[in-house]
Amino acid sequence: GENVEQHPSTLSVQEGDSAVIKCTYSDSASNYFPWYKQELGKGPQLIIDIRSNVGEKKDQRIAVTLNKTAKHFSLHITETQPEDSAVYFCAATAGFSGNTGKLIFGQGTTLQVKP
Amino acid sequence: DGGITQSPKYLFRKEGQNVTLSCEQNLNHDAMYWYRQDPGQGLRLIYYSQIVNDFQKGDIAEGYSVSREKKESFPLTVTSAQKNPTAFYLCASRSRTNSPLHFGNGTRLTVT
Repeated sequence: GENVEQHPSTLSVQEGDSAVIKCTYSDSASNYFPWYKQELGKGPQLIIDIRSNVGEKKDQRIAVTLNKTAKHFSLHITETQPEDSAVYFCAATAGFSGNTGKLIFGQGTTLQVKP
Repeated sequence: DGGITQSPKYLFRKEGQNVTLSCEQNLNHDAMYWYRQDPGQGLRLIYYSQIVNDFQKGDIAEGYSVSREKKESFPLTVTSAQKNPTAFYLCASRSRTNSPLHFGNGTRLTVT
C-alpha cells in the first residue's frame, strides 16, 4: 500500500547548526507534501508545505525540496534554535486529489537542539 | 479566537465500554478528519467528512464510528470492538479543496 518513510528517527544538533530530515513516498500520484511540527502534548502544527509542480520552497529558516523523479522530499532547518526542538512529521497525499486532508504520514523525527 | 477544540484532554475508560471524543471547530471549515497517533507510527486516518451528513472510512476505521450532523462538530466514538483503543486521537479540519490541514490538541484515551 501507500507508504511514507522518514529518516532519521532522532536527530541531535548544536544550536546554530543545520538540520535535515528526509522522506520518501511510494505513490507517484501524490501531489502535496506538508511538514508538521509537534510539541509535547499538543497537536501537529503545519510549518511548510510544497506541491508537486514546485521543486523548492523557503520560509525564513525553513526550506523544503522535492524530487518527483526519485519520489523524495526533505526539510532543511538552518541556524537551529532550542525552540526548534520537537517531533517533525512529513506527509504526502494519498493519491492525486484535492483532498489535502487525506494524508499518509512518516513515522516522525525527534529533533533535539542543544544550547 | 478561532480554532479546533478537542475535549477532554485525557480520558480513561474500562475495557468493553464505548466512549465518544468531542471535536468542535469555529473556523467554518467544510472538511473534518480524525487521526490516531501511536508511538513510532506517525498518524493514521480513521474517518473523514467533507460535508455535513456525509463521511468516509479512512485506513483504520474498524471499531470506530462518527457522525457529522453539524458543520462545526465531528464526534468520534471508540467502540468496544476496537482491539487496541489506547492512543492519542487528533481531530483536524481544512477549509476547502487544496488547503492545508489544521489539527486540534488531541485527546489521550487510556482503556484498561
